[in-house]
Amino acid sequence: EAGVVQSPRYKIIEKKQPVAFWCNPISGHNTLYWYRQNLGQGPELLIRYENEEAVDDSQLPKDRFSAERLKGVDSTLKIQPAELGDSAVYLCASSLVRGAETQYFGPGTRLLVL
Amino acid sequence: GDSVTQMEGPVTLSEEAFLTINCTYTATGYPSLFWYVQYPGEGLQLLLKATKADDKGSNKGFEATYRKETTSFHLEKGSVQVSDSAVYFCALRPANAGKSTFGDGTTLTVKP
Repeated sequence: EAGVVQSPRYKIIEKKQPVAFWCNPISGHNTLYWYRQNLGQGPELLIRYENEEAVDDSQLPKDRFSAERLKGVDSTLKIQPAELGDSAVYLCASSLVRGAETQYFGPGTRLLVL
Repeated sequence: GDSVTQMEGPVTLSEEAFLTINCTYTATGYPSLFWYVQYPGEGLQLLLKATKADDKGSNKGFEATYRKETTSFHLEKGSVQVSDSAVYFCALRPANAGKSTFGDGTTLTVKP
């Protein structure tokens, strides 16, 4: 069974440029999470989806970040415009249902903003 | 709000040494507790979990016991291997299945 797939794995951009990350969760997983992991820290939740509905986006900086999961399967996270402080690893995870004990993480996208 | 505090790293051990990585938490109610492991270039993988007080989670020789009286969930392994070198994260999830909170991670390096 394929795990959570993320692309790209690495991205280098200049500040003020837009960037997008893509995530394909494990087949059949209804819940999808986007996390940001700063260097030397643990992941912090940005947004959680139940199917196509964003049910927790309280930590998403909505002035520059947006996310979508149109058909309740794969998801895109966008930053526009990017700032230097956005440099981090962006992790996607999925779980079978809300409250499921196990979240399965993708390998992440490492973003460097210059 | 909820918080997780992990033993600061990095931790360097010789092969076959005993490992302890401390983790304490602050949360209301009765959260579930987790240890995740992150190998270089990979995503986080669930290592073990415990869902109620006095539960012991175990996997691949690692163990952790949910201690409500000390609000702790320390990770232990009796004999580490070079292949255990990774970053270990302690995490909690509230009883209402809300947002998970992660510690900052502890880097373990095991030398032959």
